[in-house]
Amino acid sequence: EIVLTQSPTTMAASPGEKVTITCRASSSVSYMHWYQQKPGASPKPWIYDTSKLASGVPNRFSGSGSGTSYSLTISSMETEDTATYYCQQWSSNSRTFGGGTKLELK
Amino acid sequence: EVQLVESGGGLVQPGRSLKLSCLASGFTFSNYGMNWIRQAPGKGLEWVASISSSSSYIYYADTVKGRFTISRDNAKNTLYLQMTSLRSEDTALYYCARRGAYYVMDAWGQGASVTVSS
Repeated sequence: EIVLTQSPTTMAASPGEKVTITCRASSSVSYMHWYQQKPGASPKPWIYDTSKLASGVPNRFSGSGSGTSYSLTISSMETEDTATYYCQQWSSNSRTFGGGTKLELK
Repeated sequence: EVQLVESGGGLVQPGRSLKLSCLASGFTFSNYGMNWIRQAPGKGLEWVASISSSSSYIYYADTVKGRFTISRDNAKNTLYLQMTSLRSEDTALYYCARRGAYYVMDAWGQGASVTVSS
């Protein structure tokens, strides 16, 4: 099973600040997906196939990476971005999520 | 509009069984692979099981293998999760999710709450 480790687990950012969340895989994966979840709500697809933004996602978000290291970046933090973000991989016989990164407003 | 509505959750004693359902609408259910994902209270997301559109391919997380069974009825647009030998650690909100392009889970239900306790 491929284990995904996200860092940091919690962080706070000021409005306008650049934010980077990292997801490291225990083995190489071909792509990474990211989900946003707000309290009391279901997760939403946010970035898929490593760098493609899901419908409605602001273009201040971006995704990148390859192999065992992937990241989600917010170019300029906004209040509405406070949420927990999860990375997820899909291999031949398993799908795993990272532990999540809780992003708060400073 | 794509909709996934889970049902069947509740309080169950350890060792007992429970069956969840997920009714799909707004898309051609038989064309899509489906998944169950769970989230324990205050914890992260955990993938539970996947099933292909025709039920040909089925996969389980190690934590539920041998105890849970995923299935679907394409004529009824419904996904199922039969859970047996339930344990306290199975307590969670169970989501069904559609597998979209690039294998992303592109639509989620609101979740069904399962509590395993005596």
